[in-house]
Amino acid sequence: GQQLNQSPQSMFIQEGEDVSMNCTSSSIFNTWLWYKQDPGEGPVLLIALYKAGELTSNGRLTAQFGITRKDSFLNISASIPSDVGIYFCAGRPTSGTYKYIFGTGTRLKVLA
Amino acid sequence: GAGVSQSPSNKVTEKGKDVELRCDPISGHTALYWYRQSLGQGLEFLIYFQGNSAPDKSGLPSDRFSAERTGGSVSTLTIQRTQQEDSAVYLCASSSPGGASYEQYFGPGTRLTVT
Repeated sequence: GQQLNQSPQSMFIQEGEDVSMNCTSSSIFNTWLWYKQDPGEGPVLLIALYKAGELTSNGRLTAQFGITRKDSFLNISASIPSDVGIYFCAGRPTSGTYKYIFGTGTRLKVLA
Repeated sequence: GAGVSQSPSNKVTEKGKDVELRCDPISGHTALYWYRQSLGQGLEFLIYFQGNSAPDKSGLPSDRFSAERTGGSVSTLTIQRTQQEDSAVYLCASSSPGGASYEQYFGPGTRLTVT
């Protein structure tokens, strides 16, 4: 099925560093969601974005809904070892559907 | 409150057998989704239920896959004549569309292994 282009696919960073990842699409979206998935668990919702240009924070996490409505960004500040996991974006198209299209995921590894 | 629950958490079955996977959505959520996640991969949409509307089955990979949702709550995903390529984690999510909330909440998943 259709998927968003999410980058980077994986990244290794040092504890304390900031992290940035993004999702892009050729289609316009009405909603962007960001999830984190730990091994053996279901994805956990981190941040939801509903309007173009919206910037929302959740602790050390900040996400933005791109003004073109075709992209979104997630930043993690001052990373810690428990940030390790796979981060997924999900976009809801403007076609009136409640279905989401998911990104391919960014695998984050934090080196202590 | 209680989140999305799924059962069983793990299922090992022999090739050719049928399996049923269960999802209990968050109480009051009218939308329910099934996804499949192969090892190290993203989420593949399977099917979506919204209220009393006909389900969106556009993601089901073959006619061996079916799902139903009884009473607008619990859902069962059935895979008939399982194949080894069906091995994956099957995730269920629910949401309460409308207003400002389109957020999907996931269950822990069922890990299916076909031997």
